[in-house]
Amino acid sequence: ETGVTQTPRHLVMGMTNKKSLKCEQHLGHNAMYWYKQSAKKPLELMFVYSLEERVENNSVPSRFSPECPNSSHLFLHLHTLQPEDSALYLCASSQVASGGNTGELFFGEGSRLTVL
Amino acid sequence: GQQVMQIPQYQHVQEGEDFTTYCNSSTTLSNIQWYKQRPGGHPVFLIQLVKSGEVKKQKRLTFQFGEAKKNSSLHITATQTTDVGTYFCAGRRNDMRFGAGTRLTVKP
Repeated sequence: ETGVTQTPRHLVMGMTNKKSLKCEQHLGHNAMYWYKQSAKKPLELMFVYSLEERVENNSVPSRFSPECPNSSHLFLHLHTLQPEDSALYLCASSQVASGGNTGELFFGEGSRLTVL
Repeated sequence: GQQVMQIPQYQHVQEGEDFTTYCNSSTTLSNIQWYKQRPGGHPVFLIQLVKSGEVKKQKRLTFQFGEAKKNSSLHITATQTTDVGTYFCAGRRNDMRFGAGTRLTVKP
């Protein structure tokens, strides 16, 4: 139990579907992240909500849409995905210091997404 | 842009042998973190290095941060089957960038 809970753990969807991934952290952290993990590639930072500011990676396609209603919850809305989007999506949280130091990342178990 | 390169991609060792993975950044880092991901699991934080030339030890694991704060290494002495997994470095400059990881397998 890492204190970061992701649902669903597994998701299979068609390219025309709309689905959402959910993440909840119980650690009192002030930053939450979405990472994409594909085989043989580095962990790819997709989105960050830190100190109530959203920072996004400009290379993320618009078919991925994050939502962070409060500091404990993070969503990733998925719409018209492609088969190459199949991957493990990891949520993480951390406590960001006032100087901007990210601190240790606590990861959830991940959501394994398959796009048919 | 900032890139973090990690080598080797794979390492297979006999139990009891040593193991080292190396991490190199194209830019000077503020700090570097190391994570371990067991097969089928999620990354788990191991350690953070901040100071130039810093060396930290955790039992059989030794972590080093280069003098120029652009490279780092993780060395495991006398590997055990429980060390199996992928070891990632993550270097921070403006944001946190992960290396591709080194997958370690250990033959009993």
